[in-house]
Amino acid sequence: AQKITQTQPGMFVQEKEAVTLDCTYDTSDQSYGLFWYKQPSSGEMIFLIYQGSYDEQNATEGRYSLNFQKARKSANLVISASQLGDSAMYFCAMREDATSSGYSTLTFGKGTMLLVSP
Amino acid sequence: DAGITQSPRHKVTETGTPVTLRCHQTENHRYMYWYRQDPGHGLRLIHYSYGVKDTDKGEVSDGYSVSRSKTEDFLLTLESATSSQTSVYFCAISESLVAGALETQYFGPGTRLLVL
Repeated sequence: AQKITQTQPGMFVQEKEAVTLDCTYDTSDQSYGLFWYKQPSSGEMIFLIYQGSYDEQNATEGRYSLNFQKARKSANLVISASQLGDSAMYFCAMREDATSSGYSTLTFGKGTMLLVSP
Repeated sequence: DAGITQSPRHKVTETGTPVTLRCHQTENHRYMYWYRQDPGHGLRLIHYSYGVKDTDKGEVSDGYSVSRSKTEDFLLTLESATSSQTSVYFCAISESLVAGALETQYFGPGTRLLVL
């Protein structure tokens, strides 16, 4: 079973509008972290925002906010006032409790391609 | 800028040849990772390191080996490259301020590898 599911292969939004990119996750751990990364056409992976499982408030970073619904196991990324430069692939990722070796790693979803039109 | 560089940035090689990719970081981070990115799969962890000479396998480690003889360098080796290893390879680093803390990973620019 997939640990991270991004159900939207592609999304379209007009400039200046808000858009929500969906992410659901599957874990039995109590302590975990959720991340969003942006990958523009140039290829680099850019960290956007982080939400810890114990954080009571939704994370925000400028125009990015994370709509965290723990009971539903969802961690949707909301981009307000979209800009042309937001056109990119967006990846949701989860970090679970440390493994038996003592160190935890990231599991990524397959991504959502966002296209922002003028 | 997390001070991560990868070399080479692009490489074309033939099936059966050995290939080594290098990840170099300048900020003394303890943890380093190698991922591969393929269409429809997102990023998948190949190997990671939690210190000099301390490494462990990730999800897709078959056909790959790693070495870390210095804090700043993490090498990924394809002993005998196959066409299925054509991919984009990313190195990442993270730093735990507190043991077990859920730290953020920062990525290098990536290496595009084509195995013919």
